[in-house]
Amino acid sequence: DLQMTQSPSSLSASVGDRVTITCRTSQSISRYVNWYQQKPGKAPKLLIYAASILQSGVPSRFNGSGSGTDFSLTVSRLQPEDFATYYCQQTYTAAAFGPGTKVDLK
Amino acid sequence: QITLKESGPTLVKPTQTLTLTCTFSGFSLSTTGVGVGWIRQPPEKALEWLALIYWDDAKRYSPSLESRLTITKDTSKNQVVLTMANMDPVDTATYYCARSLSSTYDAFNIWGEGTMVTVSS
Repeated sequence: DLQMTQSPSSLSASVGDRVTITCRTSQSISRYVNWYQQKPGKAPKLLIYAASILQSGVPSRFNGSGSGTDFSLTVSRLQPEDFATYYCQQTYTAAAFGPGTKVDLK
Repeated sequence: QITLKESGPTLVKPTQTLTLTCTFSGFSLSTTGVGVGWIRQPPEKALEWLALIYWDDAKRYSPSLESRLTITKDTSKNQVVLTMANMDPVDTATYYCARSLSSTYDAFNIWGEGTMVTVSS
């Protein structure tokens, strides 16, 4: 079974900070990773697909990278609207989401 | 404009079968590459991928829930239906349907607002 881990589970940051969230899989999945942002009470929003392709309309401060087993989502300069929970998703095998990373205000 | 909307019961009893309908507009599920999937989220917990159906009627299911799930589509009505058998209180969650961007990476780029389902006797 393909396992996916996501770290950290939570982090505290300030506006303007650079933050990085990582996902790791137990086997190579090429670039079959997508990243989502979810705010309380709202549906998730697609940020990045195919590991590094920015979804239309998403600010360029969001960057995805990685391939194989290690992937990351970086927000270069955190904005007030970026405080949310972030999920990675692998779609290489039967799709699954990571456990999420909550980003809150320090 | 692409929209999706989930509908179904808000309360089901344990052992019952849940039937949820996703009604969408702005795209056709007969267009090559298009898919519609279901995702759920228990209160204060992470997202869980459930199932996905493609334009060509191919289907994918979560391995842990496959025995309980059935996904179907009605292209003429622009609807996708998910049934989940033998409901249990742990299945209490918000259920979302979403459109996949392409059949290559199965990223969900458009989501419905979700519908809360409570399982209780």
